[in-house]
Amino acid sequence: NAGVTQTPKFQVLKTGQSMTLQCAQDMNHNSMYWYRQDPGMGLRLIYYSASEGTTDKGEVPNGYNVSRLNKREFSLRLESAAPSQTSVYFCASSAGTGANTDTQYFGPGTRLTVL
Amino acid sequence: ILNVEQSPQSLHVQEGDSTNFTCSFPSSNFYALHWYRWETAKSPEALFVMTLNGDEKKKGRISATLNTKEGYSYLYIKGSQPEDSATYLCVSDSWGKLQFGAGTQVVVTP
Repeated sequence: NAGVTQTPKFQVLKTGQSMTLQCAQDMNHNSMYWYRQDPGMGLRLIYYSASEGTTDKGEVPNGYNVSRLNKREFSLRLESAAPSQTSVYFCASSAGTGANTDTQYFGPGTRLTVL
Repeated sequence: ILNVEQSPQSLHVQEGDSTNFTCSFPSSNFYALHWYRWETAKSPEALFVMTLNGDEKKKGRISATLNTKEGYSYLYIKGSQPEDSATYLCVSDSWGKLQFGAGTQVVVTP
């Protein structure tokens, strides 16, 4: 099992460009999450999906859109990138259908720089 | 406490010494507390999940305690080794609302 995979690992964008970060899990998990990690701020939840076909906003959703394409895949889209979106993005998944005692399994992260 | 706070932000430990650090979290609507270990250039990995007041969990030389009434958890490392160097994250789950602490960075020097 690969666990949680993310592509790309690194990306540099110019302000105003768009891109989609891809995430896939092979553990048959119901819930998937997108976080961003900024220095000194810990992980902050952008969006999550408690089950296939549902998505909900997290703490910092502005400037992002998500798609739960199927049970395996959860993508994060930046429609018009801004320098404030420079960050490391982590995708995670968990077995349950909502935040509870389930352990989250994290992908390796995508380091995004917006110039 | 409105947010999850971890202290100290970082600490340096001599190999063989024991250490501990704190996670404070909102005690209202508490459901679960998670601890993750996050090594540099890797992804966070789960250590413990605790739900009951007084819970104690142990994994090798690392253990954790939970006080849900006062809203804190301690993580202990006994006989620290260089491979324990990592950032330790705590995550509070308040019935669907996850809050991450900023982490405690532990550096174990030989």
